[in-house]
Formats: sequence, C-alpha cells, structure tokens
Amino acid sequence: DTGVSQDPRHKITKRGQNVTFRCDPISEHNRLYWYRQTLGQGPEFLTYFQNEAQLEKSRLLSNRFSAERPKGSFSTLEIQRTEQGDSAMYLCASSQPRTDTGELFFGEGSRLTVL
Amino acid sequence: SQKIEQNSEALNIQEGKTATLTCNYTNYSPAYLQWYRQDPGRGPVFLLLIRENEKEKRKERLKVTFDTTLKQSLFHITASQPADSATYLCALDTRSNYQLIWGAGTKLIIKP
Repeated sequence: DTGVSQDPRHKITKRGQNVTFRCDPISEHNRLYWYRQTLGQGPEFLTYFQNEAQLEKSRLLSNRFSAERPKGSFSTLEIQRTEQGDSAMYLCASSQPRTDTGELFFGEGSRLTVL
Repeated sequence: SQKIEQNSEALNIQEGKTATLTCNYTNYSPAYLQWYRQDPGRGPVFLLLIRENEKEKRKERLKVTFDTTLKQSLFHITASQPADSATYLCALDTRSNYQLIWGAGTKLIIKP
C-alpha cells in the first residue's frame, strides 16, 4: 500500500500526558498537512510542510502542539500536557507540488481520546 | 465573516434517485472548489475539483456545478446506491495560502 499511513490509529491517554503521532506521506509528495477533526465538523487546518520546512501554522494552535518533518519525509505531531479538548481525529494529508488540482491524499487518521 | 455552509441535516434518498448536496460560501473568492467523501472513522477521499471558470464537471455518476455569482456549488450523484452513503465535504481553495477551507459536511443516506 503506497497511501498515506498514520500511527497509531487510536490513542487513549490521561490528561496532562504527552502524545506523539506519526505520518508517512506518499513518497513522491513534498507537501504534508496536519488537520484536526471533531465529530460533525470538517477538518481544521493545523500546519503545513513543504519538504522539511514548516511554512504555515494555524494561529489556533497552542504552543502545546509541535510538528516536525525531519529530512522532508515522515512527520510527527506532538501534543504536550494534553487536555480533554484535544480529543479529536488527527488527520495527515500529502500532495504533490502545486499542481492544477491541489488534491489532498489523506491517511486514515489517529483518533485521540483524553480522559 | 467568512463562512462555508453545507446541509447540516442528513439527506435521505431512495436508491436509484439523484442526490443533490449543496455548498454555499460567503466572503471568499475561491479559485477552486473540491468535493471529498468521508466514511465513518476514515480520512476524506478526493472526488472532484471544479475551477472558478468552469460551470460544470462530471465524473461517472458524479456531477459538480459551480456558480460564483450565487457563491454556491451543487454536488449530484445520479442513480444513487446504498454504497454512496457517506459524509460529503466541500473545500475551498483560494490559492492565497496553503489551506483548504472546509465545510462541516453533509451526511448522505441512500435507502435500498
């Protein structure tokens, strides 16, 4: 399978703990996005990488969230001192260099539950 | 304020009929509008894109229209099947930054 893969698929943690999600994009895609989605809502943009450079970060993202993409391949999203409001599906997507379609390829998501 | 609206109520359609979903937006000037399908617990899957200078786009049983005057896109599924049941999301691409701006989605239920 050469699609976008995310790990873990599910994570249950206690409030105050740190969690890290990993995303492996489609290999030839240099653009990588993180989104957050809660039930009944559309995806909410978190951050964007082009190769290893983080070019855009949502102003809604608190400083408890950090993302990296070393070497422009896989990416990690870390949430420190988790809060119950962080419970959501965290989606990773990748895309080719800006093409005519701008189509995003999403992974299956990592569902976070903060108790 | 900037807003994207999709039917918040689930849409129930009889199998074989045409399902029509609506995406309305205000205060945006999208260059492109995309439609995605999302199944429960899965990531969205790209279906179709339509450009601001296009009126209509088709792909198999799918058809999308885009009216920049009305600020509205319609998404049609003809000869609907129970397997078409899912949530359908519209997303605007203004090409001004790297973000897509998403609607909340409409849940479509096709009854056999």
